[in-house]
Amino acid sequence: AQSVSQHNHHVILSEAASLELGCNYSYGGTVNLFWYVQYPGQHLQLLLKYFSGDPLVKGIKGFEAEFIKSKFSFNLRKPSVQWSDTAEYFCAVREDSSYKLIFGSGTRLLVRP
Amino acid sequence: EPEVTQTPSHQVTQMGQEVILRCVPISNHLYFYWYRQILGQKVEFLVSFYNNEISEKSEIFDDQFSVERPDGSNFTLKIRSTKLEDSAMYFCASILEGLGEQYFGPGTRLTVT
Repeated sequence: AQSVSQHNHHVILSEAASLELGCNYSYGGTVNLFWYVQYPGQHLQLLLKYFSGDPLVKGIKGFEAEFIKSKFSFNLRKPSVQWSDTAEYFCAVREDSSYKLIFGSGTRLLVRP
Repeated sequence: EPEVTQTPSHQVTQMGQEVILRCVPISNHLYFYWYRQILGQKVEFLVSFYNNEISEKSEIFDDQFSVERPDGSNFTLKIRSTKLEDSAMYFCASILEGLGEQYFGPGTRLTVT
């Protein structure tokens, strides 16, 4: 069965530190890739997405992600985190044969001021 | 900015009772979804709905579940006879067209006692 793995369940960083959250998926066909963020008490919001083209995609709030097809990965990065980035981050995949999203287990990020 | 809304925000029910969770998708969107997240677990796809019929459903979406778009604006999820394991956060989502971004509602926390 198709799956999405996020290896870091909890990450704690100080402000201005760099962030990289891992995401790997298992599906051999064409996929669309997403990162969603859920701030405390709020709903899921789209950070960025990859459908095709340049594998380095830029999203909102200074986030970016790189699709590496050979590694089945779509890691999320931010050069310098802020306290306001404290949230839970979800990687999600959509197969080309389906409209549903398959989510990873999420990574809770805590940024210390 | 248009958003997906869900009511109630929190529903407490006794085991065996029927519950209806309500969602109002973004008005011109055509595809509708329900997902759930059991505490501490992944966000899981339940069902997708398009053109007044289910287009895809997961193994979780058994005969106890049903969805309906009764009046052209609301999109409901009914659980006929709730079980303790149905306790979860239920998210509604909608898309304008099949490959677009899924916009999520704030969720309904269902507690079955």
